[in-house]
Amino acid sequence: AQTVTQSQPEMSVQEAETVTLSCTYDTSESDYYLFWYKQPPSRQMILVIRQEAYKQQNATENRFSVNFQKAAKSFSLKISDSQLGDAAMYFCAYRFDGDYGGSQGNLIFGKGTKLSVKP
Amino acid sequence: EPEVTQTPSHQVTQMGQEVILRCVPISNHLYFYWYRQILGQKVEFLVSFYNNEISEKSEIFDDQFSVERPDGSNFTLKIRSTKLEDSAMYFCASSRFASGRSEQFFGPGTRLTVL
Repeated sequence: AQTVTQSQPEMSVQEAETVTLSCTYDTSESDYYLFWYKQPPSRQMILVIRQEAYKQQNATENRFSVNFQKAAKSFSLKISDSQLGDAAMYFCAYRFDGDYGGSQGNLIFGKGTKLSVKP
Repeated sequence: EPEVTQTPSHQVTQMGQEVILRCVPISNHLYFYWYRQILGQKVEFLVSFYNNEISEKSEIFDDQFSVERPDGSNFTLKIRSTKLEDSAMYFCASSRFASGRSEQFFGPGTRLTVL
């Protein structure tokens, strides 16, 4: 069974600084996607960034980038120039992308990392 | 911008009562999901739905749970006889395709409190 582990329950960063959130996962599949979702206090889950497992190039979205190490099954999120609005719970998630007869792509989440941003 | 909506935002019920949580997915999406998040814990998959039938369900999704797409726009989650441990945030999500290339859009959630 696939699992996602986030070993940092809480992290803190100074405004304008850079922070890295860790995520590891376990799977025997070769085709999958990895995601980082943000959950602000409003509780709505918002997709931050997505990485296809077959792509070696790390995904980037403005101030957000990932360090994807497929062999190590590691998928960390780097937030540069942190802003107060980045304060939220961040969830790492995995999604199988193989035989749709057996799976319709449900997400498997880690326990989350609560990020605080200090002014 | 299209979005997933959920009603009600908060539901309080007595143990043993039936509740129906409602979701309106994005109109051209084909795949629908329910997830649950017990306070302070991770988000857990409950069920996925495609072509008017359940395509996958987790161990959590037992006989007390059912899903339905009654009218082509709404997607509902029914809990027949609620238990204290059903208290959680319930998120509906939808996607155009099953592939990971197709983003799952989440609704704002329904907070269910079972007393």
